[in-house]
Amino acid sequence: DAKTTQPTSMDCAEGRAANLPCNHSTISGNEYVYWYRQIHSQGPQYIIHGLKNNETNEMASLIITEDRKSSTLILPHATLRDTAVYYCIVRVEAAGNKLTFGGGTRVLVKP
Amino acid sequence: DVKVTQSSRYLVKRTGEKVFLECVQDMDHENMFWYRQDPGLGLRLIYFSYDVKMKEKGDIPEGYSVSREKKERFSLILESASTNQTSMYLCASARSDRGYGYTFGSGTRLTVV
Repeated sequence: DAKTTQPTSMDCAEGRAANLPCNHSTISGNEYVYWYRQIHSQGPQYIIHGLKNNETNEMASLIITEDRKSSTLILPHATLRDTAVYYCIVRVEAAGNKLTFGGGTRVLVKP
Repeated sequence: DVKVTQSSRYLVKRTGEKVFLECVQDMDHENMFWYRQDPGLGLRLIYFSYDVKMKEKGDIPEGYSVSREKKERFSLILESASTNQTSMYLCASARSDRGYGYTFGSGTRLTVV
């Protein structure tokens, strides 16, 4: 499985953009990059995913470098409710398409 | 709104009891998963299923079994609960197509005393 590396934690000011980096230098050509987040005491929530191109939805934007070895999740206007652990995951292409979660980045949005 | 529903939010069981954790999804997803989450260890995959009556071991299957008799339901079974199985258990489901995310349930916090 391709592994990911994320900072353990980061702080962000409310109303500002939060940029969450992720390294996945061993990613293979057919693996997607997924982002999930987990708010305290809840199950993880899907945010966004991408293969090669940058992606945007109502929650966030995903920027993937041209060599696909790293990506950045952007929360454009962070709110206090965005405080959570954010997981960057590379999807294993195998039966059952299981996801393996790493340690994630603990993001604290401060007033 | 599509959902993954776990039957209990909190559960307390005694050591040696047989415990059933139930998970139901209404999205007609082929794949279903059971994870446990512990402080400092993150989410770890116990078992998953990619079709009815099919099951695959995850990273930590010891002490657990699963059952998937219907597409929408995936049960996790602790044959003889032990205190080291005290944890948060999370169920998820997903389509088989590439490029689709998982939907997780809210979790069951199991305490074995």
